[in-house]
Amino acid sequence: DQQVKQNSPSLSVQEGRISILNCDYTNSMFDYFLWYKKYPAEGPTFLISISSIKDKNEDGRFTVFLNKSAKHLSLHIVPSQPGDSAVYFCAATTRGGATNKLIFGTGTLLAVQP
Amino acid sequence: NAGVMQNPRHLVRRRGQEARLRCSPMKGHSHVYWYRQLPEEGLKFMVYLQKENIIDESGMPKERFSAEFPKEGPSILRIQQVVRGDSAAYFCASSPPAGTSGTNEQFFGPGTRLTVL
Repeated sequence: DQQVKQNSPSLSVQEGRISILNCDYTNSMFDYFLWYKKYPAEGPTFLISISSIKDKNEDGRFTVFLNKSAKHLSLHIVPSQPGDSAVYFCAATTRGGATNKLIFGTGTLLAVQP
Repeated sequence: NAGVMQNPRHLVRRRGQEARLRCSPMKGHSHVYWYRQLPEEGLKFMVYLQKENIIDESGMPKERFSAEFPKEGPSILRIQQVVRGDSAAYFCASSPPAGTSGTNEQFFGPGTRLTVL
């Protein structure tokens, strides 16, 4: 039962253009969403998050959008840089419960072409 | 301020042996999480621990796997009688006590790559 889905295994973008990574979820109890970036042979690195009470959160070149009615969120990177090439994981959790475990999607491999 | 530390980074075991994976959380963090990433998959939650307590082990296989986070020392993920299907990357994450951070961000270590021959 995949509660968090990233349907695009890979994405290729030209340097300077916008990268849009998508994520869908099924569990309406999720109220906090995070994006992590992962390089090979390293652990995931936190990028940006959003609470379910918001529909947008921006941090520099990264913006996350949340559409609760569609159970969909997206990460926008603009402008994209070659150093952004990595696997991006979407994750979701329910705050305030007994556990703060993160439920991850399967990841999207972003390749930014110089 | 050192980040989450895991050792060893790479571990090779033969079938039937035991694997011990260690995780030292970030300073000031009392919550530890273990995740497993199988090849070509995302990270899957295994267990959530606080000092001396297992809070949620809903993602742990029922047999051969155990975890602890003692009062002193690192958190340990122990896999007994390893099988080839245990080959994966095991990541540890830590977070501060509840209420001390405005986010649910978990900070991840570099992972231990377990290979079972």
